[in-house]
Amino acid sequence: DQQVKQNSPSLSVQEGRISILNCDYTNSMFDYFLWYKKYPAEGPTFLISISSIKDKNEDGRFTVFLNKSAKHLSLHIVPSQPGDSAVYFCAASVSGAAGNKLTFGGGTRVLVKP
Amino acid sequence: NAGVTQTPKFQVLKTGQSMTLQCAQDMNHEYMSWYRQDPGMGLRLIHYSVGAGITDQGEVPNGYNVSRSTTEDFPLRLLSAAPSQTSVYFCASSSPNYGYTFGSGTRLTVV
Repeated sequence: DQQVKQNSPSLSVQEGRISILNCDYTNSMFDYFLWYKKYPAEGPTFLISISSIKDKNEDGRFTVFLNKSAKHLSLHIVPSQPGDSAVYFCAASVSGAAGNKLTFGGGTRVLVKP
Repeated sequence: NAGVTQTPKFQVLKTGQSMTLQCAQDMNHEYMSWYRQDPGMGLRLIHYSVGAGITDQGEVPNGYNVSRSTTEDFPLRLLSAAPSQTSVYFCASSSPNYGYTFGSGTRLTVV
């Protein structure tokens, strides 16, 4: 049973428009959430994170929103650029847990069309 | 600063063979872990370590062994490879309260 789910396996968006990636979780113990970006033949790279004490975190073109009551988070990319084409993974963890273990969603492949 | 280095990048094994995937980090991170990535499954935790000499199982540990004799190295051993272990393997390291830095991966095919 997947504790972190990304229900959209793929997303296509026009350059300059907004990309919205969604992620749902079931484990109420999760209190720290991260988004990773992955290009082919490379490892995932950290993009942005949010603690459960916040409902929004912004970093340049990337904003993550957290709705704790719905156990839902989303990543907004505005404006989308061709270089944003990649696979995006949502991940969750329990703060202070041994090893900083991350539980990942299945990923969403984003294609930004010029 | 090399970060997390994984070797080899590609490997083909026959069923029943054994091998070791190497992982080294130069950031003096306490935590290290191994994940496997399969289509639609995201990354799943195999084993992790919170320091030299300390390891524990993750979500999918069967068929894999690990050890952590130094802070820098965290090898993953496949004792008897099976086709179900065909995957992309990522090693990662972290300090407490920080997310992981991942290596570039090892693509393993078991035939």
